This record gives sequence, C-alpha cells and structure tokens, in this order.
Amino acid sequence: AQSVTQLDSQVPVFEEAPVELRCNYSSSVSVYLFWYVQYPNQGLQLLLKYLSGSTLVESINGFEAEFNKSQTSFHLRKPSVHISDTAEYFCAVSEGRGATNKLIFGTGTLLAVQP
Amino acid sequence: KAGVTQTPRYLIKTRGQQVTLSCSPISGHRSVSWYQQTPGQGLQFLFEYFSETQRNKGNFPGRFSGRQFSNSRSEMNVSTLELGDSALYLCASSLGGSGEQYFGPGTRLTVT
Repeated sequence: AQSVTQLDSQVPVFEEAPVELRCNYSSSVSVYLFWYVQYPNQGLQLLLKYLSGSTLVESINGFEAEFNKSQTSFHLRKPSVHISDTAEYFCAVSEGRGATNKLIFGTGTLLAVQP
Repeated sequence: KAGVTQTPRYLIKTRGQQVTLSCSPISGHRSVSWYQQTPGQGLQFLFEYFSETQRNKGNFPGRFSGRQFSNSRSEMNVSTLELGDSALYLCASSLGGSGEQYFGPGTRLTVT
C-alpha cells in the first residue's frame, strides 16, 4: 500500500533563513503529489502540486518542491521564511489517476519560525 | 467562487449518540471526500463520493457512513459514538480525478 513519510515532525528555523521539509513516498507507480498547509484551527490549504511535466513546481508565496522519481521524494523548500509561514505542512500522494481522489497523507511537519 | 463549507463547526456529543456532519462543495465540483484528523492517527481517508455514488472507502468501521445528494452536497454520519471518534472531520471537494482537492474548515467533534 502507498505510504508517505515525513521524517521531521518539527523544524525550528529563524526568520529569513532557508528551510527544507522532507517528504518521501513509497510507490514506484505514477502518482500525483501535493503539499498542503494547515494553520491553527483551520482546514488544509493546497500549497502546490505535481501532476506532470516540469519536476520543479512553485507556489505564489515563494515555496517550491521538486519531484524526484528515482528517490521517490517531493521535498519542500523556501529560500527565506517569514514568521507568517509558521504552520503545519502535510505532504500527500494520490495514485488514483482519475479513478479516485483519495489522498494519503504524511504525518506532518510543524514549521516553527522564530524571530 | 465560494469555498467548501462545513456545518456545524463545533459539536459536543455523548458516547452512544449519533451525529451527522454536512459539507457543501465548491460549485461545479462533483467529488466529495471526507477525512478524519486526530493527533494520534493523523489524517485518514474515510470515503469519497462522486455523482451520488461511493467510489472509495477507507478502513473505518461501519458506524461511519455517508451519502451525497444530487446537488453534490454530502453528509457523513457516525452512529454509536465512542470517545475515540473525537477528531477534526474535514471535507474536501474536487473537480476531476487528479487528487487535487480543496478542503473546508472542518467540524471539530468532541465525544464525552
């Protein structure tokens, strides 16, 4: 069965420093990959997605993620974080390819940005 | 477009009772999925409905059920509530089959 691993449960970082949140998935079949962000007491917001095409995908607020098929990874990066980036980040995979929208989530990484 | 809405936002129930949660998807979205989020188990898929038919189901007991109406609105029901059912229940809607979903704010269920 498909699984998603986020090795870091919490990542503390100082404001304006770079950050990388790691995500690995288990399946070798074609998948769709996502990063979602959750702020306290809110639902999940789609941050960015890889469906096909360029392996480097970017969000409007400076985050980027690179799909690496050989390493089955989809790490999230940001060159300079802000206090407002403090939130929990979830990596997710879908292997439905049209048959289902079921998402399998990692356990989440809490990004704690300190001044 | 309005986002995914869920009602109620907060709910307190007693063990043994049943509860119904409601979800209205983004206009035009025909797929609705439900997830349970708890500190211990994380985010777990409950089920997905597409055009009023359940097309995928997670590993939850039969106490958890759902349905979708012709206007794509969905409800999920939990019968004979247990303390372990306390969780944030998230609904998500999707236009197509890519897995790209848009989530509502969730319903926080507390079972006492």
